[in-house]
Amino acid sequence: DGGITQSPKYLFRKEGQNVTLSCEQNLNHDAMYWYRQDPGQGLRLIYYSQIVNDFQKGDIAEGYSVSREKKESFPLTVTSAQKNPTAFYLCASSMGQATDTQYFGPGTRLTVL
Amino acid sequence: QKEVEQNSGPLSVPEGAIASLNCTYSDRVSQSFFWYRQYSGKSPELIMSIYSNGDKEDGRFTAQLNKASQYVSLLIRDSQPSDSATYLCAVNGGNNRLAFGKGNQVVVIP
Repeated sequence: DGGITQSPKYLFRKEGQNVTLSCEQNLNHDAMYWYRQDPGQGLRLIYYSQIVNDFQKGDIAEGYSVSREKKESFPLTVTSAQKNPTAFYLCASSMGQATDTQYFGPGTRLTVL
Repeated sequence: QKEVEQNSGPLSVPEGAIASLNCTYSDRVSQSFFWYRQYSGKSPELIMSIYSNGDKEDGRFTAQLNKASQYVSLLIRDSQPSDSATYLCAVNGGNNRLAFGKGNQVVVIP
């Protein structure tokens, strides 16, 4: 089955901890994206990558970091510098052109204890 | 900052009726437009994509695009309880980034 997987589904973080969210795709897509969703806020872009070993900041990159060492993988680290990390995190991928659809993984719900 | 606006407030429609959702966008150079459906606690799934002015129909769904007026709409005909969800409008301005609206909640009343 082709698709996008995210793990874990639920994640709990203590104050001051860094946590890493996994995103893997086997769709052979060039572009990958990380979004954050808060209630009533819609989706906001954190980081995106259009090619391996390259990525760009989105609208709310502060307190987050990413890497793109493999085409299939785009992990997101939520650092202790992110003051309000409790949210629903969504990973997406696309072929990379402006007209291409972005497909979403199932999401990770992060809660700060 | 490119903006996508969706009229706020839940939309309640009786089963079998037409649900109409509207979305306006600020970036005149936007090239591609998408409607996603999101059930509570789940991730968005694509309903429709549209790139040219006019109507595009897929089953009970019709997307309408008017680039001159900078709006895109979604019609859901013969609404079913399974259509109860939040509908997200997304616009790609040509830089491979999607801008999302905040979404419209649709409630279909049996």
